Amino acid sequence: QQQVKQSPQSLIVQKGGISIINCAYENTAFDYFPWYQQFPGKGPALLIAIRPDVSEKKEGRFTISFNKSAKQFSLHIMDSQPGDSATYFCAATSLGRGSTLGRLYFGRGTQLTVWP
Amino acid sequence: KAGVTQTPRYLIKTRGQQVTLSCSPISGHRSVSWYQQTPGQGLQFLFEYFSETQRNKGNFPGRFSGRQFSNSRSEMNVSTLELGDSALYLCASSSRTENYGYTFGSGTRLTVV
Repeated sequence: QQQVKQSPQSLIVQKGGISIINCAYENTAFDYFPWYQQFPGKGPALLIAIRPDVSEKKEGRFTISFNKSAKQFSLHIMDSQPGDSATYFCAATSLGRGSTLGRLYFGRGTQLTVWP
Repeated sequence: KAGVTQTPRYLIKTRGQQVTLSCSPISGHRSVSWYQQTPGQGLQFLFEYFSETQRNKGNFPGRFSGRQFSNSRSEMNVSTLELGDSALYLCASSSRTENYGYTFGSGTRLTVV
């Protein structure tokens, strides 16, 4: 079953707008939640990540909001730019031992298009 | 420092053949994971190696195998190729001491005809 559910599948935003992508997970053992950005022909690149001990993390225009009780986390891209047009993946894993060792569980991805 | 290097970038093979893909992790990274990316299934975990030992394996048939060498370089092999094996195969490496983030290579695009 899909361990991490991501929505929406696609998103179109005007330049300067806010892009919001949501993810939900089931496994309470997950304790590391990265977001990846992928451009065509490239591998995913780590954008920003969060641990469950904080509810929000901001890096430049990118912010992760984390709700541990709801088992949800989201990526907010402020002042979206055409150069942000890419596919975004949320992921989750446990940094400790167990069946998640060395493994990221990915959402299905969100194709973001920012119109100029 | 140099990123994760995957070779070759593109590959075309015929059904029934076998293929070997290579991954050179970031220097000092001892963990190497492999993923298959397709439009229909997204990113699917294949396996992970650490210090030449397979520590975790995804839900793929035995035709998919891998190994890691003492210099942390890794290879994955797919035998008896099927049309459905056409995908982007991604390798990612991480540092156990840093314990965060997985850096991905640009992948090998495999097309089975």
